[in-house]
Amino acid sequence: DAKTTQPNSMESNEEEPVHLPCNHSTISGTDYIHWYRQLPSQGPEYVIHGLTSNVNNRMASLAIAEDRKSSTLILHRATLRDAAVYYCILRPISGNTPLVFGKGTRLSVIA
Amino acid sequence: NAGVTQTPKFQVLKTGQSMTLQCAQDMNHNSMYWYRQDPGMGLRLIYYSASEGTTDKGEVPNGYNVSRLNKREFSLRLESAAPSQTSVYFCASKGNPNQPQHFGDGTRLSIL
Repeated sequence: DAKTTQPNSMESNEEEPVHLPCNHSTISGTDYIHWYRQLPSQGPEYVIHGLTSNVNNRMASLAIAEDRKSSTLILHRATLRDAAVYYCILRPISGNTPLVFGKGTRLSVIA
Repeated sequence: NAGVTQTPKFQVLKTGQSMTLQCAQDMNHNSMYWYRQDPGMGLRLIYYSASEGTTDKGEVPNGYNVSRLNKREFSLRLESAAPSQTSVYFCASKGNPNQPQHFGDGTRLSIL
């Protein structure tokens, strides 16, 4: 399985933008880049995913490098509720391959 | 719309006891998954079911069995619980291949 590398932890001030990096230098052409987050005492929840182009949704934006070897999850305005562990996961385009979780990045948001 | 429902939410067992964790989804999803999460770690896949009638082992299947009872339900059984199985267990489901996985709120299991 192609692997991802994320910082163990990051800190942000409330109402500031947050850029969460992910390196995936061995990504294959058929891998989607998925982001999930896990709030305290809850199951993971889907945030966003993309293949080649940058993606936006109501929760976040995903910026994908041109060579696809790295990506950045962008929270435009961090709130206290965004404090969570964020997981960057690669998944093949087709099939029902289960998600493989690493340790993720623990984001702390300071009021 | 309940999504993925896990029961029970909490359970304490003694070593050697058996237990079945229940999971049900109401989204008509084909695939269902069982993960465990130990403190400070990411989730690890125990078993999954790509469709009704099929099950496959994940990364850490030893000590567990699963049953895909029907399209809605996917249960996880510990036949003889061990302290090393103390963990938080998450069930998830997914519809079409490129749709996201939806997770339940977890079952917190302690084995003494």
